[in-house]
Amino acid sequence: KQEVTQIPAALSVPEGENLVLNCSFTDSAIYNLQWFRQDPGKGLTSLLLIQSSQREQTSGRLNASLDKSSGRSTLYIAASQPGDSATYLCAVAGGTSYGKLTFGQGTILTVHP
Amino acid sequence: ETGVTQTPRHLVMGMTNKKSLKCEQHLGHNAMYWYKQSAKKPLELMFVYSLEERVENNSVPSRFSPECPNSSHLFLHLHTLQPEDSALYLCASSPGALDRQYFGPGTRLTVL
Repeated sequence: KQEVTQIPAALSVPEGENLVLNCSFTDSAIYNLQWFRQDPGKGLTSLLLIQSSQREQTSGRLNASLDKSSGRSTLYIAASQPGDSATYLCAVAGGTSYGKLTFGQGTILTVHP
Repeated sequence: ETGVTQTPRHLVMGMTNKKSLKCEQHLGHNAMYWYKQSAKKPLELMFVYSLEERVENNSVPSRFSPECPNSSHLFLHLHTLQPEDSALYLCASSPGALDRQYFGPGTRLTVL
């Protein structure tokens, strides 16, 4: 059974810092990995999707990497801003269940001015 | 994002009530999903529909009954729920089952 772990559970940084969020998964047989952002009481917004054959994806100040063999992904946020404050969720699409995403618990990020 | 809408946004119901949650996607996607998000637990997949056919039922109790009348609409019919079913219920859609998923804003359900 796939398990996804995110570290740290919470992170508080001053504005302008570069930061790294970590995600690990137990079964390396994945189709892709997605990073989402969730604001309090809201739905999820997809940030980046990395296919299993890719090593990284970039969108603006966000960069996500994938090391499938070691079961790890990182989300790098450059020059953080207060508007980046949210919960960041990592999810993997596995090889045995059709369309099933397995989510981590999330990292709660607070960027203070 | 207004591509995926959910109604109602908030719902309070008693354990003997019957209610339905509605999801509509305007993105032309072929796959739709129901997820449950409880406090202190990871998001859990409940059901997957592809081209209006249910392809995944993630061991969900029968008091939750999904319906997908067409590729744009997805319902979750609720009956005789328990207080532990209180959660945020999220709908999502994607072009295909392994593509990026787009989420609605969710329905906050409280069961008394």
